[in-house]
Amino acid sequence: DGGITQSPKYLFRKEGQNVTLSCEQNLNHDAMYWYRQDPGQGLRLIYYSQIVNDFQKGDIAEGYSVSREKKESFPLTVTSAQKNPTAFYLCASSISARGTPRSGELFFGEGSRLTVL
Amino acid sequence: GDSVTQMEGPVTLSEEAFLTINCTYTATGYPSLFWYVQYPGEGLQLLLKATKADDKGSNKGFEATYRKETTSFHLEKGSVQVSDSAVYFCALRALYNQGGKLIFGQGTELSVKP
Repeated sequence: DGGITQSPKYLFRKEGQNVTLSCEQNLNHDAMYWYRQDPGQGLRLIYYSQIVNDFQKGDIAEGYSVSREKKESFPLTVTSAQKNPTAFYLCASSISARGTPRSGELFFGEGSRLTVL
Repeated sequence: GDSVTQMEGPVTLSEEAFLTINCTYTATGYPSLFWYVQYPGEGLQLLLKATKADDKGSNKGFEATYRKETTSFHLEKGSVQVSDSAVYFCALRALYNQGGKLIFGQGTELSVKP
């Protein structure tokens, strides 16, 4: 079945450690996104990528890094510079960012919950 | 900048009650509008969408009408079920949107009691 796979589902990190969250899609989508979800704050965009080897900062990129070396993969690294990393992280994709029809929706993975101990 | 505002939750209803979750937006031009649903511990699923004024999106008994004059996209369902308990997010995709990203409201938690 086509879809987006995030791993791990749960992750615990000690302060000062970097962690990487995996996001893989087999939908052949060009664009991929990382959102952070905190209780009562909705979803905030961290990074997005419209095409392989290119990505842009979202609204809360500080303390995070990404790469897009393959079309199907968009890993997110939460660095030790992120002051409050405990959150639920959601990866999403869409068919194409450039020229996307106005109805173009995002498809989401199941999420990864990161807890800093 | 573009933004979405939803009514605060939690909203608690009895089974078979009528549901309305308010959503208003601020955006330049004519954005596309979406409602997503999130069940506990899961990602978001698209519930319905509308791309132009007066369009009505509908799915699984839920409806929302794109009202440009009031910049609103309220979600409604005539008779809720316990299985509708979830968090509902309203979102927009701006007309001149670089990257195809969506802007989300803060979410409204719905709890339906038997």
